[in-house]
Amino acid sequence: NAGVMQNPRHLVRRRGQEARLRCSPMKGHSHVYWYRQLPEEGLKFMVYLQKENIIDESGMPKERFSAEFPKEGPSILRIQQVVRGDSAAYFCASSQGLAGVETQYFGPGTRLLVL
Amino acid sequence: DAKTTQPPSMDCAEGRAANLPCNHSTISGNEYVYWYRQIHSQGPQYIIHGLKNNETNEMASLIITEDRKSSTLILPHATLRDTAVYYCIVRPTAAISDMRFGAGTRLTVKP
Repeated sequence: NAGVMQNPRHLVRRRGQEARLRCSPMKGHSHVYWYRQLPEEGLKFMVYLQKENIIDESGMPKERFSAEFPKEGPSILRIQQVVRGDSAAYFCASSQGLAGVETQYFGPGTRLLVL
Repeated sequence: DAKTTQPPSMDCAEGRAANLPCNHSTISGNEYVYWYRQIHSQGPQYIIHGLKNNETNEMASLIITEDRKSSTLILPHATLRDTAVYYCIVRPTAAISDMRFGAGTRLTVKP
């Protein structure tokens, strides 16, 4: 059973470009979470999605950032007009989405570097 | 969410048990204690979780005090590959919520 997959693992963008980060949850998981980790800091929650729905985006910046989890295909975190402060590791986690205690399993992350 | 307090760093000799403490004095009755670790810059790895009873799996044991205000993660025979930052997180059971990562404990296993 494959774990959470993220690609690309490393992404380099110039200021003003767009970054697209992809996350494929574990098989059987219908809930996806995105976290950001700035250098030398802890993980910060960004957004929580179910298929075709955003459940909680309270941790996501209001501008330039968006996320989706379509009916088919991976979840996408999109950052428009990237700035140097967006350089970070972005981690995706998934869970089954059952009622009760939900264990989240994390992917290897995408390291974004903005030049 | 209840806040957790962990020591910033700990050392452990290879082959010995590593005991990582966590204080969660404001934990509510329906909140679970979760432990994750992050090795270098990899994605966080789930270790174990519990509500009130002690738990054990192939990776570690979790000891929760009777008043639930603190817990200890035990790695019975630490290896160099257990060097990582360990996070103690408290989560409510009913809500499917985000994980609130604090600063964690940086465990260094020494030969």
